[in-house]
Amino acid sequence: RKEVEQDPGPFNVPEGATVAFNCTYSNSASQSFFWYRQDCRKEPKLLMSVYSSGNEDGRFTAQLNRASQYISLLIRDSKLSDSATYLCVVIPRGYQKVTFGTGTKLQVIP
Amino acid sequence: DTEVTQTPKHLVMGMTNKKSLKCEQHMGHRAMYWYKQKAKKPPELMFVYSYEKLSINESVPSRFSPECPNSSLLNLHLHALQPEDSALYLCASSQETVRQPQHFGDGTRLSIL
Repeated sequence: RKEVEQDPGPFNVPEGATVAFNCTYSNSASQSFFWYRQDCRKEPKLLMSVYSSGNEDGRFTAQLNRASQYISLLIRDSKLSDSATYLCVVIPRGYQKVTFGTGTKLQVIP
Repeated sequence: DTEVTQTPKHLVMGMTNKKSLKCEQHMGHRAMYWYKQKAKKPPELMFVYSYEKLSINESVPSRFSPECPNSSLLNLHLHALQPEDSALYLCASSQETVRQPQHFGDGTRLSIL
């Protein structure tokens, strides 16, 4: 099993739709979690950190499920500008290793 | 505008050349990173500097040599690269540790002839 796994997609959704992605991780000692978005041929940009209690930033909601070892990202009211690849990052406790998931491609369609 | 600046934006070099990639941040961050990203793949961590000391080398070949002259600057010296080293090289920084959010530069697109 890969350390961090994501469904590569693409997820093709109409404008205004709600879409959710998951990111599973194999190391139960993982401590820090993030979602980044990356546009084609651009650098990754931090979207949000993922906290144990879950957190929301506008149309975006991130959740952590430690029991099942996954994090999720929910996007409500999708915009065309949300089209990008969404990368999760998982960092284990006590070790300075940064592992990116393979990314999920989202295409929002007019 | 990115707060992490990388130069050059593009670099084409032969396998016998020596070149350097540069990265600068003025956010007062004490951790800096080099990543390699191939097309349609996620970034792969190469090196981590923490308080100007190399703390992680992810088994990177010695033809890549990092350097951190001060807390704002990070260099990646390149020598005798191979065609498979062609990729986007990303620099990032975070406040103190890998457990904090990272800010990325827009990368150097490297092509090895």
